[in-house]
Amino acid sequence: RKEVEQDPGPFNVPEGATVAFNCTYSNSASQSFFWYRQDCRKEPKLLMSVYSSGNEDGRFTAQLNRASQYISLLIRDSKLSDSATYLCVVRTPSSGGSYIPTFGRGTSLIVHP
Amino acid sequence: GAVVSQHPSRVICKSGTSVKIECRSLDFQATTMFWYRQFPKQSLMLMATSNEGSKATYEQGVEKDKFLINHASLTLSTLTVTSAHPEDSSFYICSAPGTSSYGYTFGSGTRLTVV
Repeated sequence: RKEVEQDPGPFNVPEGATVAFNCTYSNSASQSFFWYRQDCRKEPKLLMSVYSSGNEDGRFTAQLNRASQYISLLIRDSKLSDSATYLCVVRTPSSGGSYIPTFGRGTSLIVHP
Repeated sequence: GAVVSQHPSRVICKSGTSVKIECRSLDFQATTMFWYRQFPKQSLMLMATSNEGSKATYEQGVEKDKFLINHASLTLSTLTVTSAHPEDSSFYICSAPGTSSYGYTFGSGTRLTVV
């Protein structure tokens, strides 16, 4: 079982739609959770951190459920420019005792007119 | 904010040659640098973690002698792909913990093509 799992999609939605992505992680000792956005052939860029209480940034809402070990990202009023791959990143403990960022494979979102 | 400068952005090399990729942290000190590889339509896979002043930690299945990592200073980490083969063609990207408690700063990536 992979440490961080995401549905690869693609999610094909019309402009203005609301879309939600989930991500599950296997290591209950994981700390710190993030959503990154990656455009084709570019580096990932931080979209938002995910806090236990849930957090919102404009049209984006992130939630964390530690009991069920998943995080979610909700995008409201989708724009064409939201088309990208959304990566779930979890800081997981390594065998050496430090924490390393572990990536899901990403969920592809395509917003069409 | 924190910036990681990665060079080159794109390189084409002949099979059997070596390629060096550099990542520099600008305006902050990166004691740790993560090196990832990403094949098309796949996730970023951690190859190794470099630490300034000590040996890099490699993930299982990554050949230490093939992917040489050096963390020469608090602002520079390098990855050298030695004796490159076509199957090493990939997108290589570095990342450092940012200046805040959250998030990671990524280099812009290096697209390596071995012919």
